[in-house]
Amino acid sequence: KAGVTQTPRYLIKTRGQQVTLSCSPISGHRSVSWYQQTPGQGLQFLFEYFSETQRNKGNFPGRFSGRQFSNSRSEMNVSTLELGDSALYLCASSPGGDNTEAFFGQGTRLTVV
Amino acid sequence: QQQVKQSPQSLIVQKGGISIINCAYENTAFDYFPWYQQFPGKGPALLIAIRPDVSEKKEGRFTISFNKSAKQFSLHIMDSQPGDSATYFCAASKSGGYQKVTFGTGTKLQVIP
Repeated sequence: KAGVTQTPRYLIKTRGQQVTLSCSPISGHRSVSWYQQTPGQGLQFLFEYFSETQRNKGNFPGRFSGRQFSNSRSEMNVSTLELGDSALYLCASSPGGDNTEAFFGQGTRLTVV
Repeated sequence: QQQVKQSPQSLIVQKGGISIINCAYENTAFDYFPWYQQFPGKGPALLIAIRPDVSEKKEGRFTISFNKSAKQFSLHIMDSQPGDSATYFCAASKSGGYQKVTFGTGTKLQVIP
């Protein structure tokens, strides 16, 4: 079974630009959640999607948004990039329902210059 | 109420020794407690997990001990090896509803030969 795939692996963007990150979950998994990892703040929850619906959102500004498609693939968008958005963005895939096992992709390393 | 506190921040253990990492949680609604292992440049990998209906779970050299009344749990790595050198995160989540993992701050483990 293929794991969680995130693309691209690395991105360099300029302040003020926007970026879209992609995540393909494990086949059959319906829940996709996103996390931001930084040395200072650790792993922080961004939002979670299940069956194309956002079920929960973390404490991040509205510049961070996402969506999920009917095939469970998910995208995350960050608009008006700031230097502080530089981080490793991780996607986690989970079956959903009462099964809470979460499997992470390798992440997208975003650098904002 | 959503925090998971983890200690120590870093740990140096000799090869063959026991590595012990401790975590404490506040939210009694949490009912799933995974540990993740993360190598540099990689996403967190699910190592072992426990639910509060058992006090201990062992998988190979890795053991989770769980104390429900104290709201604490710990990871023991027996016969630690240099290949175990990584950052370890304890985490907690609750079944049903949305998928959200609350992470500890991480422990950087170094196993020296």
